[in-house]
Amino acid sequence: QKEVEQNSGPLSVPEGAIASLNCTYSDRVSQSFFWYRQYSGKSPELIMSIYSNGDKEDGRFTAQLNKASQYVSLLIRDSQPSDSATYLCAVKGQNFVFGPGTRLSVLP
Amino acid sequence: DAGVIQSPRHEVTEMGQEVTLRCKPISGHNSLFWYRQTMMRGLELLIYFNNNVPIDDSGMPEDRFSAKMPNASFSTLKIQPSEPRDSAVYFCASSGGGDSYEQYFGPGTRLTVT
Repeated sequence: QKEVEQNSGPLSVPEGAIASLNCTYSDRVSQSFFWYRQYSGKSPELIMSIYSNGDKEDGRFTAQLNKASQYVSLLIRDSQPSDSATYLCAVKGQNFVFGPGTRLSVLP
Repeated sequence: DAGVIQSPRHEVTEMGQEVTLRCKPISGHNSLFWYRQTMMRGLELLIYFNNNVPIDDSGMPEDRFSAKMPNASFSTLKIQPSEPRDSAVYFCASSGGGDSYEQYFGPGTRLTVT
């Protein structure tokens, strides 16, 4: 079992819709969780971090964490074509591990 | 403020040659990370330093890879000898350290070994 798993996509949503990106992890001692966005040919860019169970909102982005289910998600409201990118989930437990990423395509 | 700086941005070399990648972290950050990204394996952590000390080098593929951080503002990743399978994008990232692992990435070095 991989340490951090994500659906590879592509996930296609129409402009203005909510995009939901999911991530599961295997290390139960994980305490810190991160979402990064990576445009093609560019470096990963930190979007959000979350450390406690529940929701954390920042603008159009909401991160959700459920440690009991070992699950973290990212919701993007009012999706825009400029949100089209690969979204990487990262988890800090005993190690720091990135997931394989989910490719999001927002269709105009 | 300047972000993480990496050089060179592109490197093309022949198999067997030594390659040195350089990184300058964000001023004031005390943790530095080296990653390798390929289509097949995704983003892999190679090594990270805290206060210039290597903390976890379990991701370093083999003895051909070595990394140093002689001071808080400079780190190198060296591959000697290089092989075609080392072709990848190598990223350096830094963070404020402590309990914060919020990392900020440099632009990367695209390495091609022929």
